[in-house]
Amino acid sequence: EDQVTQSPEALRLQEGESSSLNCSYTVSGLRGLFWYRQDPGKGPEFLFTLYSAGEEKEKERLKATLTKKESFLHITAPKPEDSATYLCAVQAGNYGQNFVFGPGTRLSVLP
Amino acid sequence: EAGVAQSPRYKIIEKRQSVAFWCNPISGHATLYWYQQILGQGPKLLIQFQNNGVVDDSQLPKDRFSAERLKGVDSTLKIQPAKLEDSAVYLCASSLGPAGDPDTQYFGPGTRLTVL
Repeated sequence: EDQVTQSPEALRLQEGESSSLNCSYTVSGLRGLFWYRQDPGKGPEFLFTLYSAGEEKEKERLKATLTKKESFLHITAPKPEDSATYLCAVQAGNYGQNFVFGPGTRLSVLP
Repeated sequence: EAGVAQSPRYKIIEKRQSVAFWCNPISGHATLYWYQQILGQGPKLLIQFQNNGVVDDSQLPKDRFSAERLKGVDSTLKIQPAKLEDSAVYLCASSLGPAGDPDTQYFGPGTRLTVL
């Protein structure tokens, strides 16, 4: 069974304090790993797609990396507006029909 | 470009009542998804459509949930009868490519359902 776990469950950072969020997965036939950001009361907002181990992608203060078992979302010098829940999801299965989301990491960045 | 539209945004019903949610995906998107997100958890895929055909509904509780995507555009998700544990946010998403492609999913704002 495809599974995704995320750690930590919650993270509080001071503005400018860099850190990393972890997404560990166990899937059969990974097609893609996705990172989303979700603000309270809103739907998830797409950040990155990673397809194979060794791949990295960056956007502003965020950088996502992928290995065969996990992905990291690195946040460099975060700002209060980066506060949100960060969700990791995998697409897997013989036909890519399985989508599994992790429970998310709630990030709070304090000014 | 208009995003994914969902309505209503909020719904409160009594248990055993019926409820329906509507989704209008981004124009031209072939694949449409319905998710259930319980408070504090990640979204759980219920059903996915490619155009007007069901690709996968293995996680849909078919004794009470049903969904359709007529004419390959709008979709409705229905719960009949509702249970207390159905209280959640129901999210609709769409993607451009065919089901199975690792394509970006664009999410709507969701419908928050409370079952009393």
